[in-house]
Amino acid sequence: KAGVTQTPRYLIKTRGQQVTLSCSPISGHRSVSWYQQTPGQGLQFLFEYFSETQRNKGNFPGRFSGRQFSNSRSEMNVSTLELGDSALYLCASSFLAGVTYNEQFFGPGTRLTVL
Amino acid sequence: GIQVEQSPPDLILQEGANSTLRCNFSDSVNNLQWFHQNPWGQLINLFYIPSGTKQNGRLSATTVATERYSLLYISSSQTTDSGVYFCAVEETSGSRLTFGEGTQLTVNP
Repeated sequence: KAGVTQTPRYLIKTRGQQVTLSCSPISGHRSVSWYQQTPGQGLQFLFEYFSETQRNKGNFPGRFSGRQFSNSRSEMNVSTLELGDSALYLCASSFLAGVTYNEQFFGPGTRLTVL
Repeated sequence: GIQVEQSPPDLILQEGANSTLRCNFSDSVNNLQWFHQNPWGQLINLFYIPSGTKQNGRLSATTVATERYSLLYISSSQTTDSGVYFCAVEETSGSRLTFGEGTQLTVNP
């Protein structure tokens, strides 16, 4: 079974631009979560989507948004990029069989550099 | 929100040595996972262990949920074990993981 895939793997943008990152979950997984990793803040939760609906949201400004499609693939968008948005963005998927089991599996990440 | 503390922050070992990494969390959790972050940034699943003990080769983990801590044991360490180890917990049902700050492990030949 193929793992979680993320595209692109590397991205360089300039301040003020916007960017869209993509994540394809493991086949059969319906929950997709996004995380941001920076040296200063560590790994922080952005948001989670399940059945095309945002179920959880972290403490990030509205410039960060996402969506999920009917095939469970997800995209996240960052508008009006700032230097501080430079980070590794990780996507995770889980089957979400219920409250008793919810192991998450991560993709390789997208490394975003904002100049 | 829930707090997750990992110790030690840094650990340097000689190849063949054993080590124990600790994860303390401040509240009850539904799930707990241990990850190893490889040099390219990907988080590799080590254990899904909300309670009890599991073993996988040279690695094992124990979570004592009632006392709010988990331990990751690495035996006969190898240079390929180097990297950052993260503990992450899920506080309530859903998929929001809260990560600790990680333990940077360096295994020297």
